[in-house]
This record gives sequence, C-alpha cells and structure tokens, in this order.
Amino acid sequence: QITLKESGPTLVRPTQTLTLTCTFSGFSFSTTGVGVNWIRQPPGKALEWLALIYWDDDKRYSPSLKNRLTITKDTSKNQVVLTMTNVDPADTGTYYCAHRQYCDTNRCYPYDWFDPWGHGTHVTVSS
Amino acid sequence: QSVLTQPPSVSGTPGRRVTISCTGSSSNIGAGYHVHWYQQLPGRAPKVLIYGNTDRSSGVPARFSGSKSGTSASLAITGLQAEDEADYYCQSFDDNLSAWVFGGGTKLTVL
Repeated sequence: QITLKESGPTLVRPTQTLTLTCTFSGFSFSTTGVGVNWIRQPPGKALEWLALIYWDDDKRYSPSLKNRLTITKDTSKNQVVLTMTNVDPADTGTYYCAHRQYCDTNRCYPYDWFDPWGHGTHVTVSS
Repeated sequence: QSVLTQPPSVSGTPGRRVTISCTGSSSNIGAGYHVHWYQQLPGRAPKVLIYGNTDRSSGVPARFSGSKSGTSASLAITGLQAEDEADYYCQSFDDNLSAWVFGGGTKLTVL
C-alpha cells in the first residue's frame, strides 16, 4: 500500500523560503519509473501542479514557478523535498505530494496520473 | 485562468444523471494526451476517479464514467447520490507548457 505524508511549516513570512517534505512508503526511488509530484491548492481555488521528480533524478517544473522551485529526493529516507523561494501571500494554500502512477493491475499507460495523494499540509504566507 | 475549462458548478437530484465537461485545446486533450478525473470531498485530498480517459480507479462505482472526443472530455455520473457532492477536476498534459494541467474544478451539488 502506497502512502504519502507532507510536512512543513504552517506559517511563513513573505520573501522567506518555504521547505516542504514528503515522506512516503510502499514504493522506492530505486525502482525504474517511480516519480513524486507536488501539487498545491489555494483556499477555495483549483489545483495547480508544481513539480515532479523521477527515479533517475530527472525533474520537471511548472513554467510559471520554475525560477522559484527546487525539488530533490533522498532515496535512503524515502523523502522528497520541495523548496520555494521568495514566498508571497499568493502562495498560501494546501500543498500535496502525489505518487506518479501510470500502470494499473492490467497494463501500463503512456500518460501518468496522480495516485495516491497525501493528506496535504496547509501553509499560510503572512507577515 | 485554467488551461482546461470546466463549468464552475453543476447540480442534480438524487437518482438523476449529470455530466461535467472539460474543454481543452490542440496542445493538450486534442494532442492525444489522456484525461484523468479526480474527486475532492470537502476538506479532503483529491482522489482519482477515472484515468486514461475512460478507466475507473479501483473501488469507484460503475455510476462514474469518462469519455473523450477531440479537444474535450466528460465525466458522467448516473444514479446521483448525496455522497457524490464534491468538487471534480479534470487533468491532462499540455505540450506548449510542458506541464501537467488541471481544470478549474466543478462543484457538484446534489439537491
């Protein structure tokens, strides 16, 4: 069974750097194809994909945020860390990590989806 | 402004059928990328309902179905139940952005 859990500060001051950790179980970055995403949701608003890191350390970022984001992994700890620099009140919201899924019990697909998700961690950016 | 467009809200009475549309463009849905659908119950994390355009995730009732045509996709829910009241999001990949994208979300109200 795959589980993910996000952790990090609940309050961050504007212009500071936000560091979030996703700790997971049920899979490993030692396995080809594995990936972990970060997705966020401002209060009352839609989901927004932020970043993805693959088992081979390849990384993808949202083009609108790529200059502020860094995603890293620690294979031995089963953790993924997302850092966001120069935060702003607009960065307030719930941050989720989600497992990259592209296979079901019958076959694999050419395009992946997010499953499962962690419960999320809420971050407020305010002075 | 989301890359994928969904109606902000839909509603229906118990037992009826509702559909939620997801309109994209030639750089995402129209380019052949799969559409996936997520259900987000109030105060909860999203969970996948439909992946690969039409395939139901494990444990999802057959009342939920997905379809795709051209640059659009739809989620249909038949036999509406009170427990279906939630926010629903479509998701795909966009070539121009080289990024995974979501729709703006649709709030389903069961009257």
